[in-house]
Amino acid sequence: ETGVTQSPTHLIKTRGQQVTLRCSSQSGHNTVSWYQQALGQGPQFIFQYYREEENGRGNFPPRFSGLQFPNYSSELNVNALELDDSALYLCASSPGQASFYGYTFGSGTRLTVV
Amino acid sequence: KQEVTQIPAALSVPEGENLVLNCSFTDSAIYNLQWFRQDPGKGLTSLLLIQSSQREQTSGRLNASLDKSSGRSTLYIAASQPGDSATYLCAVSLNSNSGYALNFGKGTSLLVTP
Repeated sequence: ETGVTQSPTHLIKTRGQQVTLRCSSQSGHNTVSWYQQALGQGPQFIFQYYREEENGRGNFPPRFSGLQFPNYSSELNVNALELDDSALYLCASSPGQASFYGYTFGSGTRLTVV
Repeated sequence: KQEVTQIPAALSVPEGENLVLNCSFTDSAIYNLQWFRQDPGKGLTSLLLIQSSQREQTSGRLNASLDKSSGRSTLYIAASQPGDSATYLCAVSLNSNSGYALNFGKGTSLLVTP
């Protein structure tokens, strides 16, 4: 059973650019969530996808958007990058939209905006 | 809005000591609570998941308790080892406009010295 895999592991972008981060959910999981973790802080919820539909969103602006594909993998897109977007981006998957079985996290993508 | 607080923020203990990490949350209508471990610059590893109807969960040297009415959870680590050094994060899930998103504390940074 493979876990949650994220790519790339590290990324450096320039302010104003756009970035796409990718996540493959754990086998059998149909729900994917994305979190942003700034240095020294706990992760903050960005949004969640269940069966290709967004079914929850945190307090992030519309330039943060996402997709979930039929195989339940997911992308996080961030437009017009700002310096404060520098963070560790974590993807988590679960076997249903409710969290009864808890969440499995990937190793994250470290994004640096310069 | 659910607020999650973890005390202490940092802890240093000699190897072999038993220790307790604390987590408190403001909204007792949680769905479940999950404890994670995070090594520097890495993703999250799930340690224990406690459903709202449960009082505690155990895994090896770890024991987590939940008192929903008082909004508290503790993570007990027995016979600590240098390999336990990491940041420990508490996260609660509740059904809200954000789906079943996890609300995280800022974590407790643990150092176990040989």
